[in-house]
Amino acid sequence: GNSVTQMEGPVTLSEEAFLTINCTYTATGYPSLFWYVQYPGEGLQLLLKATKADDKGSNKGFEATYRKETTSFHLEKGSVQVSDSAVYFCALSHGSSNTGKLIFGQGTTLQVKP
Amino acid sequence: GAVVSQHPSRVICKSGTSVKIECRSLDFQATTMFWYRQFPKQSLMLMATSNEGSKATYEQGVEKDKFLINHASLTLSTLTVTSAHPEDSSFYICSARDPDSLYGYTFGSGTRLTVV
Repeated sequence: GNSVTQMEGPVTLSEEAFLTINCTYTATGYPSLFWYVQYPGEGLQLLLKATKADDKGSNKGFEATYRKETTSFHLEKGSVQVSDSAVYFCALSHGSSNTGKLIFGQGTTLQVKP
Repeated sequence: GAVVSQHPSRVICKSGTSVKIECRSLDFQATTMFWYRQFPKQSLMLMATSNEGSKATYEQGVEKDKFLINHASLTLSTLTVTSAHPEDSSFYICSARDPDSLYGYTFGSGTRLTVV
């Protein structure tokens, strides 16, 4: 079945460090891929997405490229800030219109220290 | 963008009682909503897909008589945790497809349920 695997956390970085959070997936066909961010005590916010191979999603300095050959969607940011501290979820979706459901990875906690 | 409002944000209830959580789509109609459960420091587990005007579709292992889902209108889905027990304590989150984005989902802010 479909699944998403993320690198285990927590990831602890100093401010302005480079961030990579690995994400790989297993799915048939061509799923859509997402990164969501969850701040403490809150719901999820969409960070970025990619809907087909070689697409690059980007937002707020974060980037991820849909790599079908390696079934990966790694999240990167060149210079993290303390405010980026949160839990990051990689997810995939199959299906169209309102029927597709999201399958999440286990989440990776990022802690950025000043 | 599309907003999903979830209420309450926190609730504490006694064992054996029932708790209702509401999820409303603001300014858009959601024929389908999704209910997730999140354990501490863990990922989101899809519990069920709520379909307006019909029965919810539950994921394997989720007790439908325990977690009652009602989607009576195009803007409201409710999750009722019946006869709650401490092991039901968790973070519950709803979501809906974002009408402004072909592939996007918008999430509620979640409900922290504590059963004592």
